[in-house]
Amino acid sequence: DQQVKQNSPSLSVQEGRISILNCDYTNSMFDYFLWYKKYPAEGPTFLISISSIKDKNEDGRFTVFLNKSAKHLSLHIVPSQPGDSAVYFCAASAVNNDMRFGAGTRLTVKP
Amino acid sequence: DAGVTQSPTHLIKTRGQQVTLRCSPKSGHDTVSWYQQALGQGPQFIFQYYEEEERQRGNFPDRFSGHQFPNYSSELNVNALLLGDSALYLCASSWDSDNPNEQFFGPGTRLTVL
Repeated sequence: DQQVKQNSPSLSVQEGRISILNCDYTNSMFDYFLWYKKYPAEGPTFLISISSIKDKNEDGRFTVFLNKSAKHLSLHIVPSQPGDSAVYFCAASAVNNDMRFGAGTRLTVKP
Repeated sequence: DAGVTQSPTHLIKTRGQQVTLRCSPKSGHDTVSWYQQALGQGPQFIFQYYEEEERQRGNFPDRFSGHQFPNYSSELNVNALLLGDSALYLCASSWDSDNPNEQFFGPGTRLTVL
């Protein structure tokens, strides 16, 4: 059962523009959401998270938005840089439950 | 400060064999989780160890077992390997008193079953 879905396998944007990565979930019990970034030959690296009691969390160039009614979250990267090129995973968890990951979106930022 | 380390980096086994993968958590971390990442998919939770006991388990058969040692390092054992067990196996660690969801991942062990 795929409770966390990232429907776009890939995304390409120009350097300096905004990157928007989307994620949908089906389990209404999820109360914590995270984004991880993964470079080749490395493990995923924690990027940013948001609790279900919030609808926005910002950290520098990265902002995560949560729309609980739509069961949708998005990651905005502004401005995008070539070093942001990586695979981005959306993840979600409920209290005392395991973390569920989406299949990932490969972001390519072109100079 | 070393992050999460895993060994070996790559491993090739044949069907029916058994394999042991190893993980050392980040310094100061006491909780270790294991994930399986098949090609083109996100990581899938196998189980989590805390205080040398399995605390949570995902939807994986009993062929997958683990252990955590007093120094918090951990092993993942897979018996009777199947072709479908070929994947990247990721270990992640965290400090239980922190948000356990903000885990630090190792680089993974790439297992190929022939």
